[in-house]
Amino acid sequence: QKEVEQNSGPLSVPEGAIASLNCTYSDRVSQSFFWYRQYSGKSPELIMSIYSNGDKEDGRFTAQLNKASQYVSLLIRDSQPSDSATYLCALYSGGGADGLTFGKGTHLIIQP
Amino acid sequence: GAVVSQHPSRVICKSGTSVKIECRSLDFQATTMFWYRQFPKKSLMLMATSNEGSKATYEQGVEKDKFLINHASLTLSTLTVTSAHPEDSSFYICSARSNLAGDNEQFFGPGTRLTVL
Repeated sequence: QKEVEQNSGPLSVPEGAIASLNCTYSDRVSQSFFWYRQYSGKSPELIMSIYSNGDKEDGRFTAQLNKASQYVSLLIRDSQPSDSATYLCALYSGGGADGLTFGKGTHLIIQP
Repeated sequence: GAVVSQHPSRVICKSGTSVKIECRSLDFQATTMFWYRQFPKKSLMLMATSNEGSKATYEQGVEKDKFLINHASLTLSTLTVTSAHPEDSSFYICSARSNLAGDNEQFFGPGTRLTVL
């Protein structure tokens, strides 16, 4: 049984600060990891994907993956009020099931 | 690129009726599409994997006779909720894997909010 754990929050961060979102997973064979942003009432939007250990940066976003410790994180620099949303961690393990396994999401609030 | 559309965006129906939801990849071909369901304040749960030209693969606990999936072309998958009941009320979201994007990246449609009275 694949499990993806996230702190549901809410995580409150002042505008301009760094928001740090964490995710742990149980399936060691997981291959690909994704961060999605979901605004209330909307569908998820892909923010970052990461496949190998280390950091991957894209604009204000940095994803970090540590397969040995089975965690993946997302850092948002210079947080903006528009970053307020629920952030979903997802993983792909391959094999017979090709869908993604999602965590329950972390509700992030950026305080102006 | 990698745009996925869904129709309708919202539907309200009476208990016992059937509802069809369409999922289209607009600017790419998708041999595989996925159907998820999300209840309020819950995460997305994969319902089934839709494969073009073959039968869908359903997750454990999802009734294939209730949630009919047809993936008739490389750009269209449909989900039909048959004999819908109030407990089927949920946010249904499809996604598609793009052959143009990174490995296993999935792009989501805007979702369909189903309310069964």
